[in-house]
Parts: sequence; structure tokens; C-alpha cells
Amino acid sequence: DAKTTQPNSMESNEEEPVHLPCNHSTISGTDYIHWYRQLPSQGPEYVIHGLTSNVNNRMASLAIAEDRKSSTLILHRATLRDAAVYYCILRDGTSGSRLTFGEGTQLTVNP
Amino acid sequence: DTEVTQTPKHLVMGMTNKKSLKCEQHMGHRAMYWYKQKAKKPPELMFVYSYEKLSINESVPSRFSPECPNSSLLNLHLHALQPEDSALYLCASSWTGGEAFFGQGTRLTVV
Repeated sequence: DAKTTQPNSMESNEEEPVHLPCNHSTISGTDYIHWYRQLPSQGPEYVIHGLTSNVNNRMASLAIAEDRKSSTLILHRATLRDAAVYYCILRDGTSGSRLTFGEGTQLTVNP
Repeated sequence: DTEVTQTPKHLVMGMTNKKSLKCEQHMGHRAMYWYKQKAKKPPELMFVYSYEKLSINESVPSRFSPECPNSSLLNLHLHALQPEDSALYLCASSWTGGEAFFGQGTRLTVV
């Protein structure tokens, strides 16, 4: 599986935008970029995914570099509820079955 | 219904016991997963079932035995576990390649 690299931790202030980076220089053409987050004492939660184009949903936006070797998850207005570990994962769109977590980024949101 | 339900929520078992973890989903997903998560670590993939057949076993010891009796149910049978197997066990389901939905997990303690 192609590997992703994320910062161990990031901090943000409440109601400010947050940009969470992810590097995936060995991404293959069939890999989708998925983001999940895990709040304390809960199972992971799907956030967003994309292949080549930028994606928006009610939770976040995903900006994908033109060469697809990096991506950024954007939380437009952080709330205290967004404090979590955020995982960037490459998922093969052909076999589609493996979903492998890396170390993730611990996001702290300050009031 | 977008829930993955795991039972029990907590389990304490002795090293000579046999127990089972249960996972259920009614979203029509044909891929189901078992993960193991230790404290402050990312979830580790254990098994993947695709269309009720085991498609991935991540070299998991045989004291963990998965079973997928039908498309909605996934079991993990536990036998002769070690204290180091104490962890949060997470179940997930998805359409092939799509977003995965996770349960809240079973917190297992082996004594």
C-alpha cells in the first residue's frame, strides 16, 4: 500500500479555518484519498474522499494537488467538537477492500 | 440506518475462555472489516470480508477466528487470548472502495 505522511499534531482556534496536510508521493493512479477522524472513545468517522478533483461536503473540503502527491483537508470553521485524530488514507479503487490507517494528526482546538 | 452495531461494548475474559464479538450492519454493504486498536495508536486492520468470503487476513494469530455467516453479520471468535490482546476491537462495513462506517467498538480485557 502507498504510504501517507501527516504531521503528528496541529492546533487551531475555535471558529478559524484549519488546513490539515497529507503527503502521499507514491500514490498510484487508482488510489482514492480518504480522510477519517476519530474522536476520543469513539470509532473512526468518515469525513471525505476524492480522486483528482477538489471535493466539498457538509463536514469539510478536500483540496488535491494537481500531481496528486499531496492533499489538504480543510475545516472551514473549527469547533471544539472537531478536536480529534485525523487520518489520511489511500484506498485502492480497484480492489477496494483494504483501508489501512497511518499515525494521523491530532488536532487540538482552543476555545 | 447508517449504523454498525457491535456487541458487547465491554468484555473481560480469562486466558482459557472462549468468547465471541458480534458486528451487525443493515446498509447492504458487502465488505466488512475487523480492526484492533491499542491506546493512542491507529486502528490496525485484521481481517476483511468481501461478499461473505475472507479476502484479507493480515497475518493474525489463529486464536482470532473470524466468521461472516451472512451479508449483515460479522463475528470474531476469541480463544486462548493473551493479556497483550487487550484492546479496542472495531468493526466496519462499506461498499467496495467506498466510505466505511465504523462501530463504537468492543473494549476487550484479557486477564
